[in-house]
Amino acid sequence: QVRLQESGPGLVKPSETLSLTCTVSGGSVSSANHYWSWIRQPPGKGLEWIGYIYYNGTTNNYNPSLSSRLTISVDRSKNQFSLKLSSVTAADTAVYYCARDSWDATTWYSLDYWGQGTLVTVSS
Amino acid sequence: IVLTQSPGTLSLSPGERATLSCGASQSVSSNHLAWFQQKPGQAPRLLIYGASSRATGIPDRFWGSGSGTDFTLTISGLEPEDFAVYYCHQYGSSPQTFGQGTKVEIK
Repeated sequence: QVRLQESGPGLVKPSETLSLTCTVSGGSVSSANHYWSWIRQPPGKGLEWIGYIYYNGTTNNYNPSLSSRLTISVDRSKNQFSLKLSSVTAADTAVYYCARDSWDATTWYSLDYWGQGTLVTVSS
Repeated sequence: IVLTQSPGTLSLSPGERATLSCGASQSVSSNHLAWFQQKPGQAPRLLIYGASSRATGIPDRFWGSGSGTDFTLTISGLEPEDFAVYYCHQYGSSPQTFGQGTKVEIK
């Protein structure tokens, strides 16, 4: 069974960089049929897609609303992928989820496995 | 692509049929439209992908339909565990986007 687990600081100061890691177990980030994704959800609000990375690290896709502040990377040796969001403000306070986006030769399955989510609060 | 879900809240009794709508501001590429269920304090769970295919382990009371710009999630015979928030999600165009959600609550 594939499991994803987010980790990182729960509190970040304004203007600093938010850094989160997602550890994958029961599967490999080096799989050719997956994108490794981040999604966030402000408290009491809806879901926002942040972006994804492919295992080779050379293919990524970011939400334009965040792209100037965003870096998603992958560490195949640790079976992890990470998110860095710079210059954060209170508007970046949210539950951050990591997820797997899957496809095969004929079908794109969307986000089929998710982590439990981690709340990151931006406050001084 | 902006996804607009309606209604915002659906008040129904167990056993009733729920019909949730998702409208897209432009055609969803290859019907790459998914539906997720989210319960309080939990991550979203994939129900439907490709507009009409059920994900692994999803009961057959969940039905997805539609194409182009108009999509529907139908739950035929609500069970107690189905009361939750439902989101549609388009993944055919970048950036991927979600609807604002429909809450299905117990009447």
